[in-house]
Amino acid sequence: DVKVTQSSRYLVKRTGEKVFLECVQDMDHENMFWYRQDPGLGLRLIYFSYDVKMKEKGDIPEGYSVSREKKERFSLILESASTNQTSMYLCASSSLGVGYGYTFGSGTRLTVV
Amino acid sequence: AQSVTQPDIHITVSEGASLELRCNYSYGATPYLFWYVQSPGQGLQLLLKYFSGDTLVQGIKGFEAEFKRSQSSFNLRKPSVHWSDAAEYFCAVGGGNEKLTFGTGTRLTIIP
Repeated sequence: DVKVTQSSRYLVKRTGEKVFLECVQDMDHENMFWYRQDPGLGLRLIYFSYDVKMKEKGDIPEGYSVSREKKERFSLILESASTNQTSMYLCASSSLGVGYGYTFGSGTRLTVV
Repeated sequence: AQSVTQPDIHITVSEGASLELRCNYSYGATPYLFWYVQSPGQGLQLLLKYFSGDTLVQGIKGFEAEFKRSQSSFNLRKPSVHWSDAAEYFCAVGGGNEKLTFGTGTRLTIIP
């Protein structure tokens, strides 16, 4: 069964901490995405990557960075966590083109205190 | 720019009743259209997709959706809902190598 695996289901971090959210896919997909999901706002794209070592800003990149050193792994980094980054974070992957849609991970619920 | 509108934030239906969730899109060419479902605390699961061919597409869990180009709509339907259908539903549009654009979601509540 093909998968997108997010390393943590729940995380609690302190304000100012550097936070790493990890995402691994086993489908040899070229494209990977990070979204955050907040009530009433739907899914908002933070960053995406179409290839190894390549990254593009999405709609809300401020306060975040990403790393893609290997094709299967896409990491989201919160350089200095703040309470307004408390959210559900979803990773997704897809092959080239949107025809097959995206495969999503189960999400990471991050709370910054 | 492509966009998706899900006009209903929250819908409540009785178990066994029929369901229709609305989705309107804006896209300059022939779109790929998707419906995803998200159970509480989970990621999104693909229910069905449309690109071409028969405008009525069947998906998993007994769902279907109808593409209507003239109305720029892709509404999701189910003849008889089950309590396990309670979830949030997202419509998405995209095409070619472009990213998918998601709607803001419709939360479905099922009452006994």
